[in-house]
Amino acid sequence: QSVLTQPPSVSGAPGQRVTISCTGSSSNIGAGHDVHWYQHLPGRAPKLVIYANENRPSGVSDRFSGSKSGTSAALVVAGVRADDEADYYCHSYDSRLSAPVFGGGTKLTVL
Amino acid sequence: QAHLVQSGAEVKKPGSSVKVSCKASGDMFRSYVISWVRQAPGQGLEWMGEIIPMFAKPTYAPKFKDRVTINADESTRAAYMELTSLRPEDTAVYYCARAVDVDTSYGVWGQGTTVTVSS
Repeated sequence: QSVLTQPPSVSGAPGQRVTISCTGSSSNIGAGHDVHWYQHLPGRAPKLVIYANENRPSGVSDRFSGSKSGTSAALVVAGVRADDEADYYCHSYDSRLSAPVFGGGTKLTVL
Repeated sequence: QAHLVQSGAEVKKPGSSVKVSCKASGDMFRSYVISWVRQAPGQGLEWMGEIIPMFAKPTYAPKFKDRVTINADESTRAAYMELTSLRPEDTAVYYCARAVDVDTSYGVWGQGTTVTVSS
């Protein structure tokens, strides 16, 4: 059972907007700790797509955006494309555990 | 540009140990956080522990603290993760990843090391 909760799967047709949620608690996201998002393709290392809630690393498409409110965060992929198909993980820090925590991951399927 | 290069795949017997290395290139090594994260087949990412080479004091996830040792060698710019008393459920891809601080994002990842535990 992951400390951060994500839906197991989301899907969307090409060009649609897809949102992946990440729900935490008062000891992690709600405590003010930043949320980061990774894209993970099979056989590849995870790739950072959003850091500190809403910031995109250099080279990441502006179709990826992030937000955070209260004890939750969200990753939005606008105009989804076939090559966006991957597992996406949220990541934050938990003050009670004194440790980084990950969500269980969400599989994005492009229909 | 910073890179993390990990050692190659391993096949181990139950009860044995494995040691995975993670060699850093690029900018400063000693002041970054090097974490170890694993992904078992069909499972999500799982944080195992971390170390800041300049302080050389690792932090471990409670689940692994009795079986894992993480250390770093500043002279060779390498970090190591050793897992003992291996079980089949330790079969996973093990990643090292770099962060600026303990609560910041992992901007650089190693390529992953597959460890298979099988009799």
